[in-house]
Amino acid sequence: QQQVKQSPQSLIVQKGGISIINCAYENTAFDYFPWYQQFPGKGPALLIAIRPDVSEKKEGRFTISFNKSAKQFSLHIMDSQPGDSATYFCAAIRSNTGRRALTFGSGTRLQVQP
Amino acid sequence: DTEVTQTPKHLVMGMTNKKSLKCEQHMGHRAMYWYKQKAKKPPELMFVYSYEKLSINESVPSRFSPECPNSSLLNLHLHALQPEDSALYLCASSQEGGSGTGELFFGEGSRLTVL
Repeated sequence: QQQVKQSPQSLIVQKGGISIINCAYENTAFDYFPWYQQFPGKGPALLIAIRPDVSEKKEGRFTISFNKSAKQFSLHIMDSQPGDSATYFCAAIRSNTGRRALTFGSGTRLQVQP
Repeated sequence: DTEVTQTPKHLVMGMTNKKSLKCEQHMGHRAMYWYKQKAKKPPELMFVYSYEKLSINESVPSRFSPECPNSSLLNLHLHALQPEDSALYLCASSQEGGSGTGELFFGEGSRLTVL
């Protein structure tokens, strides 16, 4: 059972454009939603994260929008740059239990064209 | 630069070999993880150690044997692997207990090829 669904699978954006990646979750016990960025040959690195009591969080060019009632959250990358080209994973976690492991979405390969 | 260090970065082994992957962190984290990642796929959880004790084993075949010698070190011993075990093996760590966010810090991974 895939608990976190991510779309699109791949995305091509022009430099300066907005990249939008969407995720939906099923388990209402999730209480922490991070986004990870992974470059080829590297491990995933935390990009930005949000808790469900907040509807939006912004860090620089990266914004998470969170809709608790719809059980959806999305990543917006403003003014996308070629250096943003990477694979992005949304994830969810139940931080209040002993099982602290992340449930990852399937990933989105972003390509920003110059 | 990542604060989770994995060695070796690349490993090629035959199906009869015994090898080990090593992971080290000095962030004081008490939870450490092994993930397996195939190409174009998200990481898949293999093992979780909490306070040096194995707390989660995601039904991983016994040819993978984890070990946590102390709070900073995590090993993954490999024996009699199959070619389909070829993948990027990621180590991660996180704070444990309390109201921590659960943020995982990943290493850069060990690229394993089984011939």
